[in-house]
Amino acid sequence: GNSVTQMEGPVTLSEEAFLTINCTYTATGYPSLFWYVQYPGEGLQLLLKATKADDKGSNKGFEATYRKETTSFHLEKGSVQVSDSAVYFCALSLLGGGFKTIFGAGTRLFVKA
Amino acid sequence: DTAVSQTPKYLVTQMGNDKSIKCEQNLGHDTMYWYKQDSKKFLKIMFSYNNKELIINETVPNRFSPKSPDKAHLNLHINSLELGDSAVYFCASSQAAGLNTEAFFGQGTRLTVV
Repeated sequence: GNSVTQMEGPVTLSEEAFLTINCTYTATGYPSLFWYVQYPGEGLQLLLKATKADDKGSNKGFEATYRKETTSFHLEKGSVQVSDSAVYFCALSLLGGGFKTIFGAGTRLFVKA
Repeated sequence: DTAVSQTPKYLVTQMGNDKSIKCEQNLGHDTMYWYKQDSKKFLKIMFSYNNKELIINETVPNRFSPKSPDKAHLNLHINSLELGDSAVYFCASSQAAGLNTEAFFGQGTRLTVV
Protein backbone atom coordinates (compact mmCIF):
# COMPACT_ATOMS: atom_id res chain seq x y z
CA GLY A 1 0.00 0.00 0.00
CA ASN A 2 0.88 3.65 0.01
CA SER A 3 2.44 5.01 3.17
CA VAL A 4 4.82 7.53 4.69
CA THR A 5 7.24 6.78 7.51
CA GLN A 6 9.05 9.49 9.38
CA MET A 7 11.37 9.47 12.36
CA GLU A 8 9.76 9.44 15.75
CA GLY A 9 10.07 12.45 17.94
CA PRO A 10 10.35 14.45 19.84
CA VAL A 11 13.52 15.98 18.50
CA THR A 12 15.13 18.49 20.85
CA LEU A 13 17.83 20.83 19.56
CA SER A 14 19.60 23.95 20.69
CA GLU A 15 19.23 27.12 18.66
CA GLU A 16 21.48 27.23 15.58
CA ALA A 17 21.87 23.44 15.51
CA PHE A 18 21.51 21.45 12.27
CA LEU A 19 18.20 19.69 11.75
CA THR A 20 17.41 16.50 9.86
CA ILE A 21 14.03 14.79 9.98
CA ASN A 22 13.99 11.56 8.00
CA CYS A 23 11.09 10.59 5.78
CA THR A 24 10.67 7.57 3.53
CA TYR A 25 7.67 6.53 1.49
CA THR A 26 6.12 3.65 -0.38
CA ALA A 27 3.81 4.38 -3.26
CA THR A 28 2.41 2.90 -6.42
CA GLY A 29 3.10 5.24 -9.27
CA TYR A 30 4.83 8.61 -8.98
CA PRO A 31 3.66 10.67 -6.05
CA SER A 32 4.31 14.30 -5.23
CA LEU A 33 5.99 14.82 -1.86
CA PHE A 34 5.38 17.50 0.74
CA TRP A 35 6.44 18.74 4.13
CA TYR A 36 3.77 20.43 6.22
CA VAL A 37 4.30 22.23 9.53
CA GLN A 38 1.84 22.57 12.38
CA TYR A 39 2.50 25.30 14.95
CA PRO A 40 0.85 24.96 18.37
CA GLY A 41 -2.91 25.43 18.22
CA GLU A 42 -2.98 25.84 14.46
CA GLY A 43 -3.79 23.83 11.39
CA LEU A 44 -1.21 22.41 9.02
CA GLN A 45 0.43 24.62 6.44
CA LEU A 46 2.60 23.73 3.51
CA LEU A 47 6.32 24.18 4.14
CA LEU A 48 7.74 22.88 0.84
CA LYS A 49 7.08 20.39 -1.92
CA ALA A 50 8.69 18.45 -4.77
CA THR A 51 6.83 16.92 -7.67
CA LYS A 52 9.39 14.68 -9.37
CA ALA A 53 12.62 12.83 -8.77
CA ASP A 54 15.66 14.98 -7.94
CA ASP A 55 13.52 18.08 -7.36
CA LYS A 56 14.52 20.10 -4.31
CA GLY A 57 11.87 21.95 -2.37
CA SER A 58 12.94 24.84 -0.18
CA ASN A 59 11.33 27.47 2.03
CA LYS A 60 12.31 29.48 5.14
CA GLY A 61 15.73 27.85 5.20
CA PHE A 62 14.31 24.34 5.07
CA GLU A 63 15.18 21.99 2.21
CA ALA A 64 14.22 18.49 1.06
CA THR A 65 15.21 16.55 -2.06
CA TYR A 66 12.99 13.97 -3.75
CA ARG A 67 15.15 10.83 -3.92
CA LYS A 68 13.44 8.17 -5.98
CA GLU A 69 16.27 5.64 -5.63
CA THR A 70 16.01 5.66 -1.84
CA THR A 71 12.30 6.63 -1.73
CA SER A 72 13.16 9.41 0.68
CA PHE A 73 12.38 13.08 1.25
CA HIS A 74 14.41 14.11 4.28
CA LEU A 75 13.89 17.57 5.75
CA GLU A 76 16.97 19.64 6.62
CA LYS A 77 17.75 23.06 8.01
CA GLY A 78 21.21 24.39 8.67
CA SER A 79 20.44 26.53 11.71
CA VAL A 80 17.18 26.15 13.61
CA GLN A 81 15.48 28.87 15.64
CA VAL A 82 13.16 28.72 18.63
CA SER A 83 10.34 29.77 16.31
CA ASP A 84 10.81 26.54 14.33
CA SER A 85 9.39 24.55 17.25
CA ALA A 86 6.40 22.74 15.77
CA VAL A 87 5.22 19.38 14.48
CA TYR A 88 6.46 18.47 11.00
CA PHE A 89 4.56 16.14 8.71
CA CYS A 90 5.91 14.42 5.64
CA ALA A 91 3.21 13.63 3.09
CA LEU A 92 2.62 12.28 -0.39
CA SER A 93 -0.20 12.82 -2.80
CA LEU A 94 -1.34 10.51 -5.55
CA LEU A 95 -4.32 9.29 -7.49
CA GLY A 96 -5.73 5.97 -6.40
CA GLY A 97 -9.42 5.54 -5.75
CA GLY A 98 -9.57 9.29 -5.69
CA PHE A 99 -7.02 12.00 -5.16
CA LYS A 100 -5.69 12.07 -1.63
CA THR A 101 -2.79 13.12 0.56
CA ILE A 102 -1.30 10.59 2.94
CA PHE A 103 0.55 11.89 5.97
CA GLY A 104 3.32 10.48 8.11
CA ALA A 105 2.86 10.32 11.88
CA GLY A 106 4.47 13.71 12.46
CA THR A 107 7.71 14.63 14.25
CA ARG A 108 7.63 17.13 17.06
CA LEU A 109 10.60 19.53 17.16
CA PHE A 110 11.58 21.50 20.24
CA VAL A 111 14.26 24.17 19.87
CA LYS A 112 15.82 25.55 23.06
CA ALA A 113 17.26 29.02 23.32
CA ASP B 1 -9.73 36.51 4.76
CA THR B 2 -9.64 32.98 6.10
CA ALA B 3 -9.16 30.50 3.25
CA VAL B 4 -10.55 27.43 5.04
CA SER B 5 -12.70 28.12 8.06
CA GLN B 6 -14.34 25.61 10.33
CA THR B 7 -16.67 26.06 13.27
CA PRO B 8 -16.74 25.62 16.14
CA LYS B 9 -13.12 25.74 17.24
CA TYR B 10 -13.90 23.88 20.47
CA LEU B 11 -16.72 21.47 21.14
CA VAL B 12 -17.38 19.74 24.45
CA THR B 13 -20.30 17.36 24.58
CA GLN B 14 -21.64 14.32 26.37
CA MET B 15 -21.56 10.75 25.14
CA GLY B 16 -24.54 9.84 23.02
CA ASN B 17 -25.13 13.33 21.68
CA ASP B 18 -25.23 14.29 17.99
CA LYS B 19 -23.07 17.18 16.81
CA SER B 20 -21.98 18.88 13.59
CA ILE B 21 -18.84 20.65 12.50
CA LYS B 22 -19.04 23.08 9.61
CA CYS B 23 -16.38 23.85 7.03
CA GLU B 24 -16.21 26.44 4.29
CA GLN B 25 -13.48 27.33 1.81
CA ASN B 26 -13.26 30.48 -0.29
CA LEU B 27 -10.40 29.33 -2.50
CA GLY B 28 -12.54 28.02 -5.34
CA HIS B 29 -11.16 24.52 -4.82
CA ASP B 30 -13.06 21.53 -6.09
CA THR B 31 -11.92 19.01 -3.48
CA MET B 32 -12.48 19.04 0.28
CA TYR B 33 -11.42 16.66 3.04
CA TRP B 34 -11.93 15.77 6.65
CA TYR B 35 -8.98 14.53 8.69
CA LYS B 36 -8.89 13.29 12.27
CA GLN B 37 -5.84 14.00 14.44
CA ASP B 38 -5.48 11.96 17.58
CA SER B 39 -3.67 12.88 20.79
CA LYS B 40 -0.36 11.64 19.37
CA LYS B 41 -0.75 14.00 16.41
CA PHE B 42 -1.35 11.18 13.94
CA LEU B 43 -3.38 12.53 11.01
CA LYS B 44 -5.80 10.20 9.26
CA ILE B 45 -7.99 11.00 6.30
CA MET B 46 -11.67 10.29 6.84
CA PHE B 47 -13.44 11.59 3.75
CA SER B 48 -12.76 13.35 0.49
CA TYR B 49 -15.30 15.11 -1.71
CA ASN B 50 -14.77 16.29 -5.26
CA ASN B 51 -17.39 18.67 -6.67
CA LYS B 52 -19.87 17.61 -3.98
CA GLU B 53 -19.38 13.91 -4.66
CA LEU B 54 -17.86 11.50 -2.18
CA ILE B 55 -14.69 9.99 -3.62
CA ILE B 56 -12.88 8.69 -0.56
CA ASN B 57 -14.49 7.10 2.45
CA GLU B 58 -11.88 5.51 4.66
CA THR B 59 -12.74 3.07 7.40
CA VAL B 60 -14.84 5.34 9.53
CA PRO B 61 -17.88 4.36 11.65
CA ASN B 62 -21.13 5.13 9.88
CA ARG B 63 -21.98 7.42 12.81
CA PHE B 64 -19.88 9.93 10.85
CA SER B 65 -21.75 11.40 7.90
CA PRO B 66 -20.29 14.13 5.71
CA LYS B 67 -22.53 16.44 3.74
CA SER B 68 -21.52 18.75 0.93
CA PRO B 69 -24.31 21.17 -0.04
CA ASP B 70 -22.01 22.83 -2.57
CA LYS B 71 -18.37 22.56 -3.47
CA ALA B 72 -17.39 25.32 -1.04
CA HIS B 73 -18.82 23.54 1.99
CA LEU B 74 -18.22 20.17 3.61
CA ASN B 75 -19.89 19.59 6.95
CA LEU B 76 -19.34 16.66 9.28
CA HIS B 77 -22.19 15.27 11.33
CA ILE B 78 -21.49 12.79 14.10
CA ASN B 79 -24.23 10.71 15.71
CA SER B 80 -24.15 8.99 19.10
CA LEU B 81 -20.80 10.41 20.11
CA GLU B 82 -18.36 8.13 21.93
CA LEU B 83 -15.37 8.86 24.15
CA GLY B 84 -13.03 7.63 21.41
CA ASP B 85 -14.28 10.32 19.07
CA SER B 86 -12.38 12.90 21.11
CA ALA B 87 -9.76 14.37 18.77
CA VAL B 88 -9.00 17.40 16.65
CA TYR B 89 -10.83 17.36 13.32
CA PHE B 90 -9.34 19.24 10.40
CA CYS B 91 -11.07 20.31 7.26
CA ALA B 92 -8.91 20.87 4.18
CA SER B 93 -9.30 21.72 0.53
CA SER B 94 -7.24 21.47 -2.63
CA GLN B 95 -7.53 21.93 -6.34
CA ALA B 96 -7.17 18.35 -7.41
CA ALA B 97 -6.37 19.06 -11.00
CA GLY B 98 -2.81 17.86 -10.56
CA LEU B 99 -0.71 15.85 -8.18
CA ASN B 100 1.45 18.77 -7.15
CA THR B 101 -1.39 20.65 -5.59
CA GLU B 102 -1.16 21.39 -1.89
CA ALA B 103 -3.90 21.06 0.69
CA PHE B 104 -5.02 24.09 2.69
CA PHE B 105 -6.13 23.36 6.22
CA GLY B 106 -8.58 24.95 8.60
CA GLN B 107 -7.64 25.74 12.19
CA GLY B 108 -9.16 22.56 13.51
CA THR B 109 -12.06 21.69 15.81
CA ARG B 110 -11.10 20.18 19.13
CA LEU B 111 -13.87 17.77 20.06
CA THR B 112 -14.02 16.50 23.63
CA VAL B 113 -16.56 13.86 24.51
CA VAL B 114 -17.22 13.45 28.24
